[in-house]
Amino acid sequence: GIQVEQSPPDLILQEGANSTLRCNFSDSVNNLQWFHQNPWGQLINLFYIPSGTKQNGRLSATTVATERYSLLYISSSQTTDSGVYFCAVLRTGNQFYFGTGTSLTVIP
Amino acid sequence: DSGVTQTPKHLITATGQRVTLRCSPRSGDLSVYWYQQSLDQGLQFLIQYYNGEERAKGNILERFSAQQFPDLHSELNLSSLELGDSALYFCASSVDLTGGNTIYFGEGSWLTVV
Repeated sequence: GIQVEQSPPDLILQEGANSTLRCNFSDSVNNLQWFHQNPWGQLINLFYIPSGTKQNGRLSATTVATERYSLLYISSSQTTDSGVYFCAVLRTGNQFYFGTGTSLTVIP
Repeated sequence: DSGVTQTPKHLITATGQRVTLRCSPRSGDLSVYWYQQSLDQGLQFLIQYYNGEERAKGNILERFSAQQFPDLHSELNLSSLELGDSALYFCASSVDLTGGNTIYFGEGSWLTVV
């Protein structure tokens, strides 16, 4: 299968700070998504980004498919950003592989 | 709201019992995926259906089975339940088979086996 590594595993930020989360994957993929799992367990789609750059408010993501990594940027973090951020990748004909996640805690 | 509906949201049952989890995919989506999230295993792929047919299988136990009906809703059946089956079960859907479009997850079904 495809190996998906996320870093850092844990992150504690002061409210208002910026952060970068990284996702490395071991093979070419045709789907890469970032999810936020909130404290209630809901998996919320952030980005569908197999390549290129996208922005949505305070969040943005960049995937460099040729180098097999993706970055999620969170700016001006808020306490509601707390939770676990997952990167997941899929190659046609295979399953969706999840990384082990980055646990983010934003303190006021 | 992702548009993927899962029921029930919470379920408590005893060891040895059987439960059925239900999923309604987003309107127009033909692919349905089932995932299990437990504390020690992370998010694990169980099975995928596309337009009623099983298309991919992951680490799904023989005690578990699933199907997708003609109206595209799907059910995951868990039988002879064990304590270790306690987990959050997610259903996800997408429009195609290849995964080349966004895959949307439901809110999950929390299963507790006591």
